Amino acid sequence: QVQLQQWGAGLLEPSETLSLICSVSGGSFSGYYWSWVRQPPGKGLEWIGDIYHNGYTNYIPSLKSRVTMSLDHSKNQFSLTLTSVTAADTAVYYCARNWELWGQGTLVTVSS
Amino acid sequence: QTVVTQEPSLTVSPGGTVTLTCAPSTGAVTRGHSPTWIQQKPGQVPRTVIHSTDIRQSWTPARFSGSLLGGTAALTLSGVQPEDEADYHCLLLCGPVWVFGGGTKLTVL
Repeated sequence: QVQLQQWGAGLLEPSETLSLICSVSGGSFSGYYWSWVRQPPGKGLEWIGDIYHNGYTNYIPSLKSRVTMSLDHSKNQFSLTLTSVTAADTAVYYCARNWELWGQGTLVTVSS
Repeated sequence: QTVVTQEPSLTVSPGGTVTLTCAPSTGAVTRGHSPTWIQQKPGQVPRTVIHSTDIRQSWTPARFSGSLLGGTAALTLSGVQPEDEADYHCLLLCGPVWVFGGGTKLTVL
């Protein structure tokens, strides 16, 4: 059974870099796209971007200058990096595969 | 950027039928938007119930159905159960980017 397990720092100060990893167990990267989504407290979902199994990426325009997504085939992991965070980046971050599988979510709080 | 609109809230009686809709600001929804419906209960991880307009996930009960309806994407729940009470988010592929709607809070009462 394929599962997504994610982790990363949960508390950041303004201007720091958010880094999250999503690990895929029981499956491979081939043929899928891998997405990151976030949900600010009490609000709706926001698509951040995705990366295809070949490394091709798409990002939401509003975050494009600060976002990087990458794959590590050797570890069956994909990652999200978001630079220069502010309080507006406080949210639960989810990874997902083809919208059929979701990670458990990681709460990231940006506060001084 | 495209804005996707959903009903903020709907209420349905147990056993009843309800249709949630999802409309982009750019015009009619087509299968090319790959409409996806995601259920989220309070404090829980989102769970996709419908993708590619009308394809149910393996865990999605048959009472959930997706369609295109009058230029919108629609999610219809027939024979609603109390456990269907949740937020429902629609998701559309608009060019190279995915756009979420604001979500519909479905109350079963």
